[in-house]
Order: sequence, then C-alpha cells, then structure tokens
Amino acid sequence: SSELTQDPAVSVALGQTVRITCQGDSLRIYYASWYQQKPGQAPILVIYGKNSRPSGIPDRFSGSSSGITASLTITGAQAEDEADYYCNSRDSSGNHHVFGIGTKVTVL
Amino acid sequence: QVQLVESGGGVVQPGGSLRLSCAASGFTFSGYGMHWVRQAPGKGLEWVAFIRYDGSNKFYGDSVKGRFAISRDNSNNTLFLQMNSLRGEDTAVYYCAKDYGSGSLPDFWGQGTLVTVSS
Repeated sequence: SSELTQDPAVSVALGQTVRITCQGDSLRIYYASWYQQKPGQAPILVIYGKNSRPSGIPDRFSGSSSGITASLTITGAQAEDEADYYCNSRDSSGNHHVFGIGTKVTVL
Repeated sequence: QVQLVESGGGVVQPGGSLRLSCAASGFTFSGYGMHWVRQAPGKGLEWVAFIRYDGSNKFYGDSVKGRFAISRDNSNNTLFLQMNSLRGEDTAVYYCAKDYGSGSLPDFWGQGTLVTVSS
C-alpha cells in the first residue's frame, strides 16, 4: 500500500497565505482530495480533483498537483480556517484509499 | 440534503464483536459506493473499507482485513460494518462516508460513532 506524507503542523498569520503539501507515489496517478477537520467535528471535503471545491467552500481554498506532490493553498487565511487538514488518495492498486497524517494549521 | 447517521457504537471486550449501521438519506443511496473511515482518539484518519454501489466489490484496509466485513441494504438505505475479533487498537470514532463516484473519494461524512474496545 502507498503512503502519503504531510508536515505535522504549520502556522500562518491572519490574512496571509499558507500552502500545505502531501507527497506520495500514488499522486502520480490519482488526484488528492483534501479534508478540513475541526475539534469534535466530522471531516469536511474542501478540495477534490484537479482543483474543485464543493458547494459552500470559500474560494480562498485551492488545490494543485505536480509529480508526487499535491498542495492545498489557503489564500488570505481566516481565524475559522484553524483546523487539521488531511489529504487522501487511492493507492497504486486503485482499490484502496490512504490518508496523510494530517497537518495542523494554526492561524496567528 | 445528504444525511448520514451512524449507530451501534459502544464498549466491547477484546475479542468481541460489534455491528455498526449507517442510515443514509437525501441522495440515491443505491447509486453510490460507501466508505468506512475511523479515527483513534487524538490520532489521524484511517481508511477502513469501501463497498461499491451494488455491493459487488468490497475492499479493506490491511489492519482490518479478515476481521471486518462491509455490507449494504439498498432497499433500506443502510450501510453496515460487522467487526469481529476486536482489539484495543480498533478503539476509534467510526465514520461512514458517501463516495463521490467510482470509488474516487469520500465526499460527505456522517458524525461518527465511538467504539471502545476494553476489558
């Protein structure tokens, strides 16, 4: 099975831009999806596919991918964006899924 | 609107069994694959299992393969997870999640049900 690597934590000043990365061999084949999780709540999908946002997700969230690295960018971070962010992808078999360890985003 | 409501969690002894349910509404349940994903206390997300829209194919994470079984009842819009030979490391919040399409990714999640394996 494949693994997805994420930095454990990152901080960003209010209103500034932060990029969260996710690395894994399967990302050469499959797009990553990104989830936001706040304490005590279920995860919410924020980015999927090449760079698609579900209805209701602010356009300050965007995604990109190159080689084995997928990125989630928050442009103009808000206090309510403080959360854990997880990447997800299928593994190389295409039949299983794997999550990254999650990145804790702190908005200063 | 999509709604997923998990139930069946609780405290069980090591080696025991438990069956989780996930009641779905707000979408055509029989047209979508479904996932189970779990989260141990203070830890990250772990993918557990996936079942295709018609139940024809099922896939499992390595840590649960041979012990857990995913199934569905499309006539009653319900997803199940039968968990056998439970271990302490299975203690987690278990989420059911609707698939976006073709097994691509979980898109909408329920609120989860807590399973605690302890003597």
